[in-house]
Amino acid sequence: DAGITQSPRYKITETGRQVTLMCHQTWSHSYMFWYRQDLGHGLRLIYYSAAADITDKGEVPDGYVVSRSKTENFPLTLESATRSQTSVYFCAVHSGGGYTFGSGTRLTVV
Amino acid sequence: GENVEQHPSTLSVQEGDSAVIKCTYSDSASNYFPWYKQELGKRPQLIIDIRSNVGEKKDQRIAVTLNKTAKHFSLHITETQPEDSAVYFCAAPSGTYKYIFGTGTRLKVLA
Repeated sequence: DAGITQSPRYKITETGRQVTLMCHQTWSHSYMFWYRQDLGHGLRLIYYSAAADITDKGEVPDGYVVSRSKTENFPLTLESATRSQTSVYFCAVHSGGGYTFGSGTRLTVV
Repeated sequence: GENVEQHPSTLSVQEGDSAVIKCTYSDSASNYFPWYKQELGKRPQLIIDIRSNVGEKKDQRIAVTLNKTAKHFSLHITETQPEDSAVYFCAAPSGTYKYIFGTGTRLKVLA
């Protein structure tokens, strides 16, 4: 949906670098989520946010930081990227019964 | 916390046949179970869901059944078509609007 956008779509970074993945919604949904998708693991929750300035950890939060100063934005930062963080990252909002996902960011850490 | 298991991991069916994907969950208090379809290179999209106060829900060629006693729910696709080829994920709640996802089933519909 055009209502939730992620950037960049693709990113290659080096081990140890900081990288930020962006997520923006044009709606005003309260709940936003970051998932990573890896083969054999499905989708795993990294962090989520119930509202601006309210964030909490998910299943796999280590090595990641989030912030939510505005309702519409929910950036995810890898403080010091590692190869194990190579993955596809999906941002999502809770809308009605389930999630609407962004188009994803494919991150490769070399 | 909630735990979700999904089977099979891959499934090949002939076009026109039915496909069934099964998931089990651990938390008996869970009350909402969505299914997502993810086509190659695309985002997951919600295709059907079921709440714990019903045992079955249908939407054209897809249906979901829920057995609360056994704590499992299944996705049924009838008269499969090539465009049904995708990865399907089940999910169960693990908190307010948080979900634990199954590991996915790659469905291939053979023409």
